[in-house]
Amino acid sequence: ETGVTQSPTHLIKTRGQQVTLRCSSQSGHNTVSWYQQALGQGPQFIFQYYREEENGRGNFPPRFSGLQFPNYSSELNVNALELDDSALYLCASSLALVEGRNEQFFGPGTRLTVL
Amino acid sequence: AQTVTQSQPEMSVQEAETVTLSCTYDTSESNYYLFWYKQPPSRQMILVIRQEAYKQQNATENRFSVNFQKAAKSFSLKISDSQLGDTAMYFCAFTGSGTYKYIFGTGTRLKVLA
Repeated sequence: ETGVTQSPTHLIKTRGQQVTLRCSSQSGHNTVSWYQQALGQGPQFIFQYYREEENGRGNFPPRFSGLQFPNYSSELNVNALELDDSALYLCASSLALVEGRNEQFFGPGTRLTVL
Repeated sequence: AQTVTQSQPEMSVQEAETVTLSCTYDTSESNYYLFWYKQPPSRQMILVIRQEAYKQQNATENRFSVNFQKAAKSFSLKISDSQLGDTAMYFCAFTGSGTYKYIFGTGTRLKVLA
């Protein structure tokens, strides 16, 4: 069973640029969630995708967008990067809508630095 | 709004001893799930233990157990026989039944001393 993978591991961008982060979900999972974890903080929910549709969004501006593909892998896109976007971005996959199985499995994260 | 609070930013414990990490939460829901996740320096979040709110029995996973007090909205994690490999950030997380997001606390940095 393959776990959640993310790429790239590290990324350095400058203000105003755009970035795409990628996530492959765990085998058999149909839902992907993205979280932003600033240094010294807990993860903050960005959004979730279920069967290629956005299924909930946290308090993040529209310049944070995403996609989910038929194989359930996902992308997180951030436009017009700001310094405060520097963080660890975590992807988590789960098998949604199975009562009692809300457990999410996390990837290792992508460390984004905005200069 | 649902919130999760971890009031201990840092803790340390001697190897082989027991330590308890605190977590409180606020919600108006009656059915929900609570989790403790471990994040070692390698960054990967690992599930330590989970608790369904409708279950009165406290969850246990080997050396890890919880004290779930639903009325007090408290969910503490006890680590017995602490090992050096337990050194990590520990996050308490909440999710409602049928909802789509986890709400995390700010974490407790645990250091196990040799």
